[in-house]
Order: sequence, then structure tokens, then C-alpha cells
Amino acid sequence: KAGVTQTPRYLIKTRGQQVTLSCSPISGHRSVSWYQQTPGQGLQFLFEYFSETQRNKGNFPGRFSGRQFSNSRSEMNVSTLELGDSALYLCASSLDGSAEAFFGQGTRLTVV
Amino acid sequence: GNSVTQMEGPVTLSEEAFLTINCTYTATGYPSLFWYVQYPGEGLQLLLKATKADDKGSNKGFEATYRKETTSFHLEKGSVQVSDSAVYFCALSGPSNDYKLSFGAGTTVTVRA
Repeated sequence: KAGVTQTPRYLIKTRGQQVTLSCSPISGHRSVSWYQQTPGQGLQFLFEYFSETQRNKGNFPGRFSGRQFSNSRSEMNVSTLELGDSALYLCASSLDGSAEAFFGQGTRLTVV
Repeated sequence: GNSVTQMEGPVTLSEEAFLTINCTYTATGYPSLFWYVQYPGEGLQLLLKATKADDKGSNKGFEATYRKETTSFHLEKGSVQVSDSAVYFCALSGPSNDYKLSFGAGTTVTVRA
């Protein structure tokens, strides 16, 4: 069974631009969560979606947004990129959010 | 809110040595506890989990026991291999209706041949 797929794996963007990252969860999983990983802040929760609804949101500015489609695939968008947004963005899927989460390989975003 | 504190690294060991990584947590109620491992350039892989007090999670020779009385979930392995070199994260979720993982800072483990 295929795992969690994140695309693209690497991205380089310029300050002020916006970016969209994609996540395809494991088949049958309806919950998708996003995390930001940086050397300074570690792993921080961004938001969680279940059946196209955002159920929980972390402490990030409104420039960070997401959505989930009817097939459970999810996208996250970051607008007006800042240098500090450079990070590994990880997506995780689970059956319903309360069960164990399976992570993708991440998207490495570099803002220059 | 929920929080996880784990042993700071880095930890360097020789092959076949005993590994312990301490993890303590703060949470209301009875959260689920996890250990994740991250290899270079990769995402996180679930190593083991425990969902209630006194549960022992185990996988690939690693073990951790959910200790409610000491709010701890220490990771142990009796004989490490070079292939165990990675970053290890302790995490918790819940209690119910809290659909997110709270992670510790991660512990980098290097095993030398």
C-alpha cells in the first residue's frame, strides 16, 4: 500500500512569493496534518484537516493556509514568503486523527 | 497545554552498547505516546507507541513503557547497531479531540562501528 506522498520534494522561492505544497495521504485515511520542522523550533504543528474541514490549527500567522479535497488530498499554501519560512514541511495522514500518524518524506522549502 | 521534554543530544555510542533516551511529558488526562525516528533526508517513521498507562511499546529491539506515575516514556535498546544512527523524537497526542502531535526537540544518536 502506497505511503504518504508529498510533492515537490524541494523548492526554492524568493521572498515575497507564494508557494503551494501538496500531500496525498494513504488510501483510506481521512485526516491530514501538516508540520513545520526547523533546526531552531523543531517540529511544530500547523493544522489538521478531516473530511475537508480544518479541525485544529497551530500558532502560525494567517499567511499559512491549507485545504483538503474530497479525495482527502491536501494542499498548504504560504503567501508572502519570508526567509524564516525556510523549513522542511511534513505531512502526516491517519485514519481519523486519533490513530497513529504516518509521515511523508517532506518538502524542503528554501526562501532566498 | 501538552508538552514533551526529551534528553538533549547528541548521543554517541559504540555498536552493541545500551541506549536510553529519556522522555517526560505534561498533559491532561491520558494522552497517547509515541517514538518517531528520522533518518537523514527522510520524514518521520513511527517506531513504537503506547496508548494507556503501563503499556509497553516495542519494535526492532526498541522498547518504551508508558509510566503515568512519573509521566515518562523512556526509549531503550539493549544493543545498538550502526543502522540505528538517526534522530529520535518523543511525541504525544490527545487526550481526545486534540488532533495533533506535540514533539520533543529530538535526540541525535550516532552509533560507531
